[in-house]
Amino acid sequence: GENVEQHPSTLSVQEGDSAVIKCTYSDSASNYFPWYKQELGKRPQLIIDIRSNVGEKKDQRIAVTLNKTAKHFSLHITETQPEDSAVYFCAATPSGSARQLTFGSGTQLTVLP
Amino acid sequence: NAGVTQTPKFRILKIGQSMTLQCTQDMNHNYMYWYRQDPGMGLKLIYYSVGAGITDKGEVPNGYNVSRSTTEDFPLRLELAAPSQTSVYFCASSASGGDEQFFGPGTRLTVL
Repeated sequence: GENVEQHPSTLSVQEGDSAVIKCTYSDSASNYFPWYKQELGKRPQLIIDIRSNVGEKKDQRIAVTLNKTAKHFSLHITETQPEDSAVYFCAATPSGSARQLTFGSGTQLTVLP
Repeated sequence: NAGVTQTPKFRILKIGQSMTLQCTQDMNHNYMYWYRQDPGMGLKLIYYSVGAGITDKGEVPNGYNVSRSTTEDFPLRLELAAPSQTSVYFCASSASGGDEQFFGPGTRLTVL
């Protein structure tokens, strides 16, 4: 099955700086890579996703890049704000009818004011 | 739309007790999922369903059962609770296999 590794487990940045979180996956058949943000005590919420036919996707201050050859993908957050503080999870899933997501172990991002 | 709702929010069980975690979605989604999230960890898939009457095991199904008699409801059953089942349980749904999964608010379960 799929295995997703996520680094770093914790990340602290100064407000206004950029943050980068990296994930690697094992199954070359995986073709959908979502990123979820989870605030303390809340449910995970999708912030951005990318499919394997695209190398990069951007939504305002958030971007995701995908390197299929190396089997890794990254989340980039620019101009970080205190409200970006949360746990971020990457996930991967191979094609198929059920889209069984395999999640990384999460990154606790803290944006220091 | 309420989206995905879960009950109860919190529950404490004694070892060996049974309970059902309820999950309902009002988005007419075919796909529904149950995950567990242990402290400081990512989510692991317990069971999933691609439509009414169809369920299948995920990564960590032992100790759990599910049913899907309607499109809206996907209950998760714990038959003999064990301390290892202490976790936060999230239900999720999506319109199809390739779409965004929407999560419910979670049920925090403690087994003592």
